[in-house]
Amino acid sequence: NAGVTQTPKFQVLKTGQSMTLQCAQDMNHNSMYWYRQDPGMGLRLIYYSASEGTTDKGEVPNGYNVSRLNKREFSLRLESAAPSQTSVYFCASNGGLNYEQYFGPGTRLTVT
Amino acid sequence: AQSVTQLDSQVPVFEEAPVELRCNYSSSVSVYLFWYVQYPNQGLQLLLKYLSGSTLVKGINGFEAEFNKSQTSFHLRKPSVHISDTAEYFCAGERAVSGGYQKVTFGTGTKLQVIP
Repeated sequence: NAGVTQTPKFQVLKTGQSMTLQCAQDMNHNSMYWYRQDPGMGLRLIYYSASEGTTDKGEVPNGYNVSRLNKREFSLRLESAAPSQTSVYFCASNGGLNYEQYFGPGTRLTVT
Repeated sequence: AQSVTQLDSQVPVFEEAPVELRCNYSSSVSVYLFWYVQYPNQGLQLLLKYLSGSTLVKGINGFEAEFNKSQTSFHLRKPSVHISDTAEYFCAGERAVSGGYQKVTFGTGTKLQVIP
């Protein structure tokens, strides 16, 4: 039982390049989330998926797209990376209301 | 709108001293409250949660928190900290919204630095 896994762990991109961050969970959770973490700002929600086949915008969706490929997998895509997207990205899943979120180990992304 | 406020961005404390990390929430609907811990270069993991019932909640690693509805607070405490408690701590509130989604709002975090 691996919980929530994320790849890659680290990535350096040049401005304008694209990439996809992968996330998978093996806990049969319906809800999945993508957050970014920046110093002094806590975690901010980028996109979420309440169930397979549905996705919705969070607080800071601009510059990102997501795909809920199946119940297990939820990917985050940066189409044209910008230095403002330098951050640590966390994927999380949740088994339902009043259940805690389970987090992946994070992806540290630097855009130069 | 639901918000979660952590009043201190950094808290230095000597080893074996007690500590309190403060969290206040605001919401017009019922919320479920959580504390998470993040060790360096890791994801967040659950310390404890309040859903209902007893207002004093015990979590892992000797931490506890008290839900105070009148003061809209959910402060985290530990009577005697250890070096290994050095980490960042996040308070979070969760409530249901339409579509089966659970909206989670995180505070901005408190860095606990335990001094030997």
